[in-house]
Amino acid sequence: AQSVTQLGSHVSVSEGALVLLRCNYSSSVPPYLFWYVQYPNQGLQLLLKYTTGATLVKGINGFEAEFKKSETSFHLTKPSAHMSDAAEYFCAVSDHGGSQGNLIFGKGTKLSVKP
Amino acid sequence: NAGVTQTPKFQVLKTGQSMTLQCAQDMNHEYMSWYRQDPGMGLRLIHYSVGAGITDQGEVPNGYNVSRSTTEDFPLRLLSAAPSQTSVYFCASSYSRGVGEQYFGPGTRLTVT
Repeated sequence: AQSVTQLGSHVSVSEGALVLLRCNYSSSVPPYLFWYVQYPNQGLQLLLKYTTGATLVKGINGFEAEFKKSETSFHLTKPSAHMSDAAEYFCAVSDHGGSQGNLIFGKGTKLSVKP
Repeated sequence: NAGVTQTPKFQVLKTGQSMTLQCAQDMNHEYMSWYRQDPGMGLRLIHYSVGAGITDQGEVPNGYNVSRSTTEDFPLRLLSAAPSQTSVYFCASSYSRGVGEQYFGPGTRLTVT
C-alpha cells in the first residue's frame, strides 16, 4: 500500500533563507506525487505535482520539488523564503498509483518564517 | 466560477443529532471527495465519488453517508453525531481521480458536544 511520511511537523526559517520540506513515500507502483499548501482557515491548493517525465517539477510561488526514485523522496524547496510562505504544507501520493487512485496525504509540515 | 462551495462554515451539534454538510462544484468535475482534517493527522478520506450515482468508501467512512445524484452536488450526512466527529471537513473535486488537481472548498468546522 502507498504511504507518505513528512519529516518534521514544524519547520522554522528566516526570511530569505532556503526552505526545505521533506517527504518520503512508499509505493508498490510508479507513484504520482503532489504538494499542497494550506493557508490559515482555508482549503488546500495545489503547489505542484509529478506524474511522469521530468523529475524536477516547478510549481507556483517559486517552489519546486525533485522526484528521486532511488531515495523514494519528493522534497519541496524554495531558494528564498518570504513571510507570505508561512502555511501548512502537505505531501500526497496517489494510493493505487496512476489515474485510478485516491490521494493519501502526509500529516503536514507547518512552516514558520521569521523576519 | 464559484469553484467548490461548502455550507455551513461552522456547526455545533449535540451527541446523537444528525446533519448534512453541503458541497457543490460548478466545474463539471466527475470526481468528488470528502476529507476530515484533525490536528497532527493530515487529511483522511471519508468517501468519494467518480461520477453521478457512484460512491465508495475511503479510509474513515464509519458514521458518514454520501450520495451523488447530480454531477454538481455531493452532500455528506452524519447519521448520529459523536464527539469523535469533531473535525474540519473539506470537500474537493477534480476532473481526474488520481492525476488531476483537486480543488478544495473552504471547509466546515464541526463541533460535537
